[in-house]
Amino acid sequence: GAGVSQSPSNKVTEKGKDVELRCDPISGHTALYWYRQRLGQGLEFLIYFQGNSAPDKSGLPSDRFSAERTGESVSTLTIQRTQQEDSAVYLCASSPDSYYGYTFGSGTRLTVV
Amino acid sequence: DAKTTQPPSMDCAEGRAANLPCNHSTISGNEYVYWYRQIHSQGPQYIIHGLKNNETNEMASLIITEDRKSSTLILPHATLRDTAVYYCIVRDRSGKLIFGQGTELSVKP
Repeated sequence: GAGVSQSPSNKVTEKGKDVELRCDPISGHTALYWYRQRLGQGLEFLIYFQGNSAPDKSGLPSDRFSAERTGESVSTLTIQRTQQEDSAVYLCASSPDSYYGYTFGSGTRLTVV
Repeated sequence: DAKTTQPPSMDCAEGRAANLPCNHSTISGNEYVYWYRQIHSQGPQYIIHGLKNNETNEMASLIITEDRKSSTLILPHATLRDTAVYYCIVRDRSGKLIFGQGTELSVKP
């Protein structure tokens, strides 16, 4: 596709359940980033992929959060045992390499009830 | 890693130039300055970036001071659709962008 695609666009889940969020980057983009944005707040960096390796996981808030990337393609962010504080918009971005500007997806709005 | 300082909010009259300042006094020689904006309920949108020289594209101009400690994003003829939060970011050594709180620009008729 022409842009970064994220799915689902909205997800409501019960506290304690696991969720998977998907990101399809722009074809050929080697760098992929995940951010979280709570309501009314700025963007928090979560994790960065270069290809399928993750040189920087420093933003993952706890061991309930993990992410994988298949080659230079799709990435999934998994949140286990969701908590209400996990409610946020999760944004994915990709770029041709680590020095170009990013293109962001529209995000997944996660609501934990 | 360099941090940036921006005013929390600004107003601009429609049709006038919007000049958004940013301080990045600890920037190092090989770090780029990036500008993004986020319109309500959308993902951030890339605007422009630069290293030393002033840059211009179809959206905006970026003026970087000679000592590189500050920069200004200029929207030459602001429209109501330019109302957004504008982020000035210095890219860190790993390449990731660390977003601050940005400047909330309100363009008024």
